[in-house]
Amino acid sequence: DQQVKQNSPSLSVQEGRISILNCDYTNSMFDYFLWYKKYPAEGPTFLISISSIKDKNEDGRFTVFLNKSAKHLSLHIVPSQPGDSAVYFCAASAPSGGSYIPTFGRGTSLIVHP
Amino acid sequence: NAGVMQNPRHLVRRRGQEARLRCSPMKGHSHVYWYRQLPEEGLKFMVYLQKENIIDESGMPKERFSAEFPKEGPSILRIQQVVRGDSAAYFCASSPITGDTGELFFGEGSRLTVL
Repeated sequence: DQQVKQNSPSLSVQEGRISILNCDYTNSMFDYFLWYKKYPAEGPTFLISISSIKDKNEDGRFTVFLNKSAKHLSLHIVPSQPGDSAVYFCAASAPSGGSYIPTFGRGTSLIVHP
Repeated sequence: NAGVMQNPRHLVRRRGQEARLRCSPMKGHSHVYWYRQLPEEGLKFMVYLQKENIIDESGMPKERFSAEFPKEGPSILRIQQVVRGDSAAYFCASSPITGDTGELFFGEGSRLTVL
């Protein structure tokens, strides 16, 4: 039973355009959401996060939007660059015994064409 | 390199052998997490440890898998009597003492191939 779902396994975008990666979750206890980026043969690296008390967080070309009522979040990359080509994982966490353990989605492979 | 260190990067085992994967967390981090990525799948949580303690092992298979994080030395994920289905990338991550948001720092992974 997937608690974090990324329904698009892949996304292809032209350089300079906007990339929108989507993520849905089912567990209403999640209160912190993260995006990780992963290149082949490397480990995931943290990209951006958002707390459930906010609906938007921006960091340079990356913006994450959170819609709690819809249990949906999205990552916007604008403008997209070829170096953004990677697998993007959405993750969500909830407090459990004082700790947060992220639950990951299956990932969306983004390809940015020059 | 002050990042999370995992070794070996690649490990090949025959069915029935044992696999040991090691992870040294980032300096100053005392929380270690192990995740597994099966082919074409996402990252699945396995176990969360602090020094000398297993905090959450809800994602660990009930048999053949064990993990430890001793007072001295790296965290070790041990898989006994490996089967082909154990072939996967195993990622270790760490977080600082006050890690309370789920932001983890990952190693580059150990890729296990079972022949």
